Parts: sequence; structure tokens; C-alpha cells
Amino acid sequence: AQSVTQLDSQVPVFEEAPVELRCNYSSSVSVYLFWYVQYPNQGLQLLLKYLSGSTLVESINGFEAEFNKSQTSFHLRKPSVHISDTAEYFCAVSPPGGTSYGKLTFGQGTILTVHP
Amino acid sequence: GAGVSQSPSNKVTEKGKDVELRCDPISGHTALYWYRQSLGQGLEFLIYFQGNSAPDKSGLPSDRFSAERTGGSVSTLTIQRTQQEDSAVYLCASSRKLDGASYEQYFGPGTRLTVT
Repeated sequence: AQSVTQLDSQVPVFEEAPVELRCNYSSSVSVYLFWYVQYPNQGLQLLLKYLSGSTLVESINGFEAEFNKSQTSFHLRKPSVHISDTAEYFCAVSPPGGTSYGKLTFGQGTILTVHP
Repeated sequence: GAGVSQSPSNKVTEKGKDVELRCDPISGHTALYWYRQSLGQGLEFLIYFQGNSAPDKSGLPSDRFSAERTGGSVSTLTIQRTQQEDSAVYLCASSRKLDGASYEQYFGPGTRLTVT
């Protein structure tokens, strides 16, 4: 079984400031890792994913996340946020195989609010 | 359509009534997932269909919940004898056959269920 903990339920920041949204996971097997974003009044969208290879993954809108196996973490970072980044962010894991292949286990979500 | 669609977008029902929620996945996607998003529980996996394989029902909270997928496409989630704790947003997602090169679940806009 897997579990995901997002350490901050809300993160307020000012525009152009850096931000880090923290995610830790627990699993007895290796996992795939994901960050999904839910903008106000919109559906969930994939932001970035780690399947294998380089532990640093990037999204097209400037977010990045680093897989740290020893710390079982997958924190999301952005060096300079915009108002439009205001959203709820979900960290998720999935087993890479077996009968539960594809089943996402989500964290509780972190609401990022960017203030002008 | 281009994305996952769900109907109805909103459903208000009286406690004890049965409800059916519909999901139309992206054409060609063989995997289909149901999740629910509630204030108390966050995002929870409910059930997973992959091609012609037996569905993974491990997330269904009680035997009042059931789902089927007809013809490998449209899926219906049925909740019998609804209870107030069933109030939530029910999300459907679909993905292509997992080929290791691309893995993304595309989420629909959800059905907001309110049980009065």
C-alpha cells in the first residue's frame, strides 16, 4: 500500500517569490510520482511526472520537482511564481506494475495562493 | 469530443435514492478510473477498468457502490440508497494503454453530487 503526505495545506506567497510545495510518500515498492494541478473551477491536469531516469523533472510553465529516494520525497518548486499559478496542487503516486497499475494515491492537496 | 466528459455536472438527490453518474472517456483510451473528491477525505480512488480485464474495485467504499463499463468505452457509476456522506465530486479519468513512454490520466470535469 502507498500513502502520500503533503505537509502544507495552504501556502500563501507574493508574486515573483520562490515557492516549494512539499510531498513525502510511503511505499513498500517503487512508485511513479506525479504532481497534478487544479485551477479554480477547472478539472485536474497533470503538471509533471517522474517515471524513471533523471530525478529532476520539469514542467512547461517553470515548475520542477526532484525525486529523492532516500528521503522518499518529491517536492515541487518554482523560482518565481505568477498570479496565474494560484491553484490547488496534488502530489500522487502509482505503482509501476502489478494489479494496481495506474491507480493513483493522492495527497490531501496544497492550496497555493499568489498575492500581488 | 476532445476530452473526458461527465454527466450530469451537478446532481442533487434525496437520501435513500439511487443515482447514476456517467463518464465518456477519450476515444481509444483503454483504461478508465473513478475517483471522488470530498472535503473530509480528499481525492480517493474508487474503481479502475483496464481493457477487458476484471476491474479493480478495491476503492469502492461500500456495496452500495458499483460501476460498469459497456463496450470498453462509456462507464456508469451507480450509488444505491444514497447517504449524506456520499456527497462529493465524482471524477472520471481515462488513459491510453500504458506503454511506458507516455502515462497520463486525463480527468473529466466531475459530477458534483449533493445528498439532502
